Amino acid sequence: EVQLVESGGGLVQPGGSLRLSCAASGFNFDDYAMHWVRQVPGKGLEWVSGISWNSGSLRFADSVMGRFTISRDNAKKSLFLQMRSLRPEDMALYYCVKDLGRDITLVTMHHWGQGTRVIVSS
Amino acid sequence: DIQMTQSPSSLSASVGDRVTITCRASQSISTYLNWYQQKPGKAPTFLIYAASNVQSGVPSRFSGSGSGTDFTLTISSLQPEDFATYYCQQSHSPPWTFGPGTKVDIQ
Repeated sequence: EVQLVESGGGLVQPGGSLRLSCAASGFNFDDYAMHWVRQVPGKGLEWVSGISWNSGSLRFADSVMGRFTISRDNAKKSLFLQMRSLRPEDMALYYCVKDLGRDITLVTMHHWGQGTRVIVSS
Repeated sequence: DIQMTQSPSSLSASVGDRVTITCRASQSISTYLNWYQQKPGKAPTFLIYAASNVQSGVPSRFSGSGSGTDFTLTISSLQPEDFATYYCQQSHSPPWTFGPGTKVDIQ
């Protein structure tokens, strides 16, 4: 069974930093692209960032470009999102998502974690 | 960026009803369209990929169709566990965008 468990969320002041982690199990982690998708409670879904199976391709939404970094450690079956210069509009539930394929093309969000909450407030 | 719209934004239906949700893309995306279901307090789950291919394990009452800019998700006979919010997502080009969602609730 595919399991994706996010951690690292919490309360941070505007301008601060946070690093989210996702521990994966139940599948060959290094065979799949991975993504972060966020959702403001009661609102819709926004794709944030994606990384290919071998970290060769990275993509970011314009809203986080230059502030967020995505990385993965295939040996540890883990995905990360380093978030800097956080803004109130970054406040959301952040989901770790497994893609259907290896590359970040034709992105299909196959399995989702339960999310970790990020609160940006002074 | 490709903008996705959905209609209606919400609907009320009864168990056994046939339900159709429409998704429209701001430009042609061929059949690069996925559908997800989200129940309150839960993460989304994957239903349909490439417009009409139902994910393994998803009940056969769910179906999808369309190409180009116009797509539909149909639930042939609504069941109690289908009351949820449904999102479409284009997989054609980055940034991969979602529709705003259609909430299906009990009439």
